[in-house]
Amino acid sequence: SQQGEEDPQALSIQEGENATMNCSYKTSINNLQWYRQNSGRGLVHLILIRSNEREKHSGRLRVTLDTSKKSSSLLITASRAADTASYFCATDHNTDKLIFGTGTRLQVFP
Amino acid sequence: ETGVTQSPTHLIKTRGQQVTLRCSSQSGHNTVSWYQQALGQGPQFIFQYYREEENGRGNFPPRFSGLQFPNYSSELNVNALELDDSALYLCASSEGPLSYNEQFFGPGTRLTVL
Repeated sequence: SQQGEEDPQALSIQEGENATMNCSYKTSINNLQWYRQNSGRGLVHLILIRSNEREKHSGRLRVTLDTSKKSSSLLITASRAADTASYFCATDHNTDKLIFGTGTRLQVFP
Repeated sequence: ETGVTQSPTHLIKTRGQQVTLRCSSQSGHNTVSWYQQALGQGPQFIFQYYREEENGRGNFPPRFSGLQFPNYSSELNVNALELDDSALYLCASSEGPLSYNEQFFGPGTRLTVL
């Protein structure tokens, strides 16, 4: 079963705009990760945030985590056409196994 | 591009047949995890191998089995194929079995069961 759910399911924006996608999960976690997938290919790890962290940055990416609400958000600033992909959150719910959400499909128009 | 490779890229089988998918892990990685990704869904964890032993399994029937070799490459075997087994199968290697170890994914094998 899927642990997390991303919202929205799909998002279309223009280049230069910011894209925000959210992830909600059901049980307690040690860490939460975000991955990107281009056109049904392999996933690429973007960022990991631990349960005791609230915010993390990596380049144009900003991830927040609210463990009280069991939710996380991924912000991509100044988006580019190359950011077009599906984005997944993955949680471990206190095991060593990753459980992926359903994904957000992001389309960035030039 | 990660150093993880998978073969074959595409595969077409019929119901009841058996299939073997292969994964070569990135150099220095001793852990391989397998995932099934149905169209429009997120990857679902099948099982993980750590130093040639199964180290956890998801909600998949016993006809899904695996193997990890001394060089840490891995195989996924599926017996008695069903139509619902049609999916993208992804493997990921990592430096260790813990959830904070970054997973490096291969490009996947797309399996179609007719």
